[in-house]
Amino acid sequence: QTVVTQEPPFSVSPGGTVTFTCGLSSGSVSPSHYPSWYQQTPGQAPRTLIYNTNTRSSGVPDRFSGSILGNKAALTITGVQAADESDYYCVLYMGSGIWVFGGGTKLTVL
Amino acid sequence: QVQLVESGGGVVQPGGSLRLSCAASGFTFGRNGMHWVRQAPGKGLEWVALIWFDGSKTYYTDSVKGRFTISRDNSKNTLYLQMNSLRDEDTAVYYCARLTDWWIDSWGQGTLVTVSS
Repeated sequence: QTVVTQEPPFSVSPGGTVTFTCGLSSGSVSPSHYPSWYQQTPGQAPRTLIYNTNTRSSGVPDRFSGSILGNKAALTITGVQAADESDYYCVLYMGSGIWVFGGGTKLTVL
Repeated sequence: QVQLVESGGGVVQPGGSLRLSCAASGFTFGRNGMHWVRQAPGKGLEWVALIWFDGSKTYYTDSVKGRFTISRDNSKNTLYLQMNSLRDEDTAVYYCARLTDWWIDSWGQGTLVTVSS
């Protein structure tokens, strides 16, 4: 089964910029995977940040943006704030009714 | 305002069964596909199952095929997950989530299922 890959834990200073990627163990991510991104803090339900590659969910600040970078989907956060310290997950639609989540990336704001 | 409220979680012995429910409000339930997504303690999110808006098609991750059944009652605005032959590794918080087009746009707060003897 195809694995969706995300980076190990990240650290960033307040005000900095960070980019997470979401790849495939075999092949390239494309818009037809409808990549989306979710933020989750401990003990809370996930929150939808980005869907359909680059569309921000309602209420999500424009510091968050999505894109395709090379053969991966990407989530970029600019002007990182302490409140952004969370786990970030991507999910890809693999076709035939099957979705696969990445393993998540933990962001620490130093 | 979209609201999804899960219920039915609890402690069950290995090999046992449990049925989860997800009550939906704030939108026309019968127009959206619905997912179940789970998260084992300290682990990441795992997609479990999907049902189409009208219940005509269902899909499952390999590890639950033949054991879990996703269903819905559009007249009651409720999504279900029947879980049979439960295993230790099914221990997780189970979230219901709304599918819009090809992405999840809303999540419930989750219900905890613990499989333990």
